[in-house]
Amino acid sequence: GENVEQHPSTLSVQEGDSAVIKCTYSDSASNYFPWYKQELGKRPQLIIDIRSNVGEKKDQRIAVTLNKTAKHFSLHITETQPEDSAVYFCAAIMFSGGYNKLIFGAGTRLAVHP
Amino acid sequence: NAGVMQNPRHLVRRRGQEARLRCSPMKGHSHVYWYRQLPEEGLKFMVYLQKENIIDESGMPKERFSAEFPKEGPSILRIQQVVRGDSAAYFCASSQRTDTDTQYFGPGTRLTVL
Repeated sequence: GENVEQHPSTLSVQEGDSAVIKCTYSDSASNYFPWYKQELGKRPQLIIDIRSNVGEKKDQRIAVTLNKTAKHFSLHITETQPEDSAVYFCAAIMFSGGYNKLIFGAGTRLAVHP
Repeated sequence: NAGVMQNPRHLVRRRGQEARLRCSPMKGHSHVYWYRQLPEEGLKFMVYLQKENIIDESGMPKERFSAEFPKEGPSILRIQQVVRGDSAAYFCASSQRTDTDTQYFGPGTRLTVL
């Protein structure tokens, strides 16, 4: 069935270091991959997304890469800051139950230490 | 343009009572999704609705839970005879379409069952 695997489940970095979160998906027809950031007690917020017609997308300190052949995509955060500490969820669109459904990974808890 | 609205933000119920959670999608969005999030866990899909139709309720328990999205007014997630295990954050998201379209989340309703 449809599945999105996300690794690692927790990630601890020093301020200024880079952080990388990886996700794999099962449906080769998937063509949309958003990333959400959820701070404690808040709603998940879209931070970046990528569609299957590009291999990389950047927005300031965050970037997402997509490898359709290997069916994996990654979130890269450079020059991490304490305010980057949050839970990050990847997701992929998959055709399931007769419609295109957004399937979420289990989340990565990122802690950035000053 | 207001985002996705949910109310109430916090809801306390005693075991056996009913909980009614409301979600107003973003303007122009006709697709609504409900997710449940237990503390320290990921987003679990419950149900997907379009106006007056339930498209996919595969993630919603068959008993005590129901959802609707009437022609007029907000989407409602209803939990009858609540139990302690129903305590969670319930998030609603909306999108314009399902096909490669972004889901935007509301602030959530935190349900506590005493």
